[in-house]
Amino acid sequence: SYELTQPRSVSVALGQTARISCGRDNIGGQYVHWYQQKSGQAPVMVIYRDNNRPSGIPERFSGSNSGDTATLTINRAQVEDEADYYCQLWNSGTVFGGGTKLTVL
Amino acid sequence: QVQLKESGPGLVKASGTLSLTCSVSGDSITGSHWWAWVRQPPGKGLEWLGEIYDSGSTNDNPSLKSRVSLFIDNSNNRFSLRLSSVTAADTATYYCARIDINWGIDSWGQGTLVTVSS
Repeated sequence: SYELTQPRSVSVALGQTARISCGRDNIGGQYVHWYQQKSGQAPVMVIYRDNNRPSGIPERFSGSNSGDTATLTINRAQVEDEADYYCQLWNSGTVFGGGTKLTVL
Repeated sequence: QVQLKESGPGLVKASGTLSLTCSVSGDSITGSHWWAWVRQPPGKGLEWLGEIYDSGSTNDNPSLKSRVSLFIDNSNNRFSLRLSSVTAADTATYYCARIDINWGIDSWGQGTLVTVSS
């Protein structure tokens, strides 16, 4: 089981906005990070500390974190954004969400 | 640019011990980061196994029921994982990674597939 709850799948039309949630009691009080994993590849960080983009990550990726839910938002979704996405935090050890498969239609 | 690379046997017999080493370049393993192992069974999500600090302090996943042992070799800039009493359920791609508790996982190894055979 996972301590961070994510939807198993999210679908979005090309060019529209995708939102992927990550739930846990009072998650807003902790830093949440997000990773993108494409098939056969290692994960890549796309958001750190709730709402910061690493160098090289497109501006269409953003994040928020408040209350019991953190959210990864992908504006103007592209075909290349189709991947699995994982949220993660550190609380005396690393915790991952179960992952969300994003499909771009 | 820090780089991590896993090494070890790709095939382990059931009931045996899985052993992997992660070699780190471009950064000293002594410092402000935790060094972690994460695995991913085929078609499934990421599972954190444990992490170690340069002092030797460790955190590990309680769901693995103490089968995980972590070691750090500061002199050779590498760290290691041992997973005992393996079964087919331990077949996975194993990643090593660098973790900052406030900044997340900024570096991953390429991953290595370990298959447990009966």
